[in-house]
Amino acid sequence: DTGVSQNPRHKITKRGQNVTFRCDPISEHNRLYWYRQTLGQGPEFLTYFQNEAQLEKSRLLSDRFSAERPKGSFSTLEIQRTEQGDSAMYLCASSSTGRDQPQHFGDGTRLSIL
Amino acid sequence: GNSVTQMEGPVTLSEEAFLTINCTYTATGYPSLFWYVQYPGEGLQLLLKATKADDKGSNKGFEATYRKETTSFHLEKGSVQVSDSAVYFCAYNAGANNLFFGTGTRLTVIP
Repeated sequence: DTGVSQNPRHKITKRGQNVTFRCDPISEHNRLYWYRQTLGQGPEFLTYFQNEAQLEKSRLLSDRFSAERPKGSFSTLEIQRTEQGDSAMYLCASSSTGRDQPQHFGDGTRLSIL
Repeated sequence: GNSVTQMEGPVTLSEEAFLTINCTYTATGYPSLFWYVQYPGEGLQLLLKATKADDKGSNKGFEATYRKETTSFHLEKGSVQVSDSAVYFCAYNAGANNLFFGTGTRLTVIP
């Protein structure tokens, strides 16, 4: 169990640019989640995959955000035309199937918009 | 609606003091409850969980009991250490596929 891996750890970009983050979940986990965390707040749910299917999206996930999980393994989160308000820590988590299964989090990608 | 209310921080304690961080939730159904911890510079780690009423989750000297009658899941530790300094998040999963988190409580333990 190597844990959930996220890359890059930090991303600094200019407003209006596109950015893409990657998440590699724990290999035997078929569920993958994306969250956003701003300073002083708890994580907020963005979207969730079971295998390769994106089953749920939060209202926080605007049209500029898109997530994929091809082949049900790693996932990418892309933000197009970044805005100042997108500055946050983006967290990925994975779990096995079942409501009681805990979610295991990666260290996150910190996005800073100049 | 669904929500989690945590005791506001920051909390500063001396080493070996007793810790309580209050957490209450508003949710429909029978949620599973979790405490996560975030150490400086690290990601969220699961600390403990409870999946039904009266269950007690425990780990590393921390405990929390699922109290359905008061919709609470307070975190306790009898004797804190400097290494327990971190931000603690209460969360629940109410049958949906995402976790609802509180705003976090920062704990600082001084020698």
